[in-house]
Amino acid sequence: KAGVTQTPRYLIKTRGQQVTLSCSPISGHRSVSWYQQTPGQGLQFLFEYFSETQRNKGNFPGRFSGRQFSNSRSEMNVSTLELGDSALYLCASSSQPGTASEQYFGPGTRLTVT
Amino acid sequence: KNQVEQSPQSLIILEGKNCTLQCNYTVSPFSNLRWYKQDTGRGPVSLTIMTFSENTKSNGRYTATLDADTKQSSLHITASQLSDSASYICVVSSMNTGFQKLVFGTGTRLLVSP
Repeated sequence: KAGVTQTPRYLIKTRGQQVTLSCSPISGHRSVSWYQQTPGQGLQFLFEYFSETQRNKGNFPGRFSGRQFSNSRSEMNVSTLELGDSALYLCASSSQPGTASEQYFGPGTRLTVT
Repeated sequence: KNQVEQSPQSLIILEGKNCTLQCNYTVSPFSNLRWYKQDTGRGPVSLTIMTFSENTKSNGRYTATLDADTKQSSLHITASQLSDSASYICVVSSMNTGFQKLVFGTGTRLLVSP
């Protein structure tokens, strides 16, 4: 069974641009969560989607948005990029949302904003 | 405030030696506690998930303990190998109004030296 895949793996953008990251969950998993990881802050929760609906949201500005498609694939969008958005963006899939079920992480997308 | 604190921040040990990583939390209400291993440039991989009633859980050379009274957990690595070099992240899950909230520690960076 294939794991969680994220594309692209690396991305360089300039301030003010926008970016879209993609995540394909494990086959059969309908819950996708997104996280931002920086050296200073560690992992921080962005949002969770289940069955195309956002179920939970972290404390990030409205520049960060996401969506989930009917095939459970998810995209995350960041508009008006800032230098502080440089981070590793991880997505994780699970079979059920908001429970103690196991989360499986993808390899991440390394975003650098210059 | 819900927090997860890990110690030490970093650790260097010789191959073959044992080590113990600590995790203290103030997350409430408590749902479960997870330990993840994250290799450089990769997504986190789950090692253990422990619920309130579990005191000890093993996964090969990794043994996690949980004391829900003192809100402390430890991850013990036996007979360390070079491949154990990674960051180890403690995550505490809290259920609130039907939504699961994950609180992440900033991790312990372990280097196993030959």
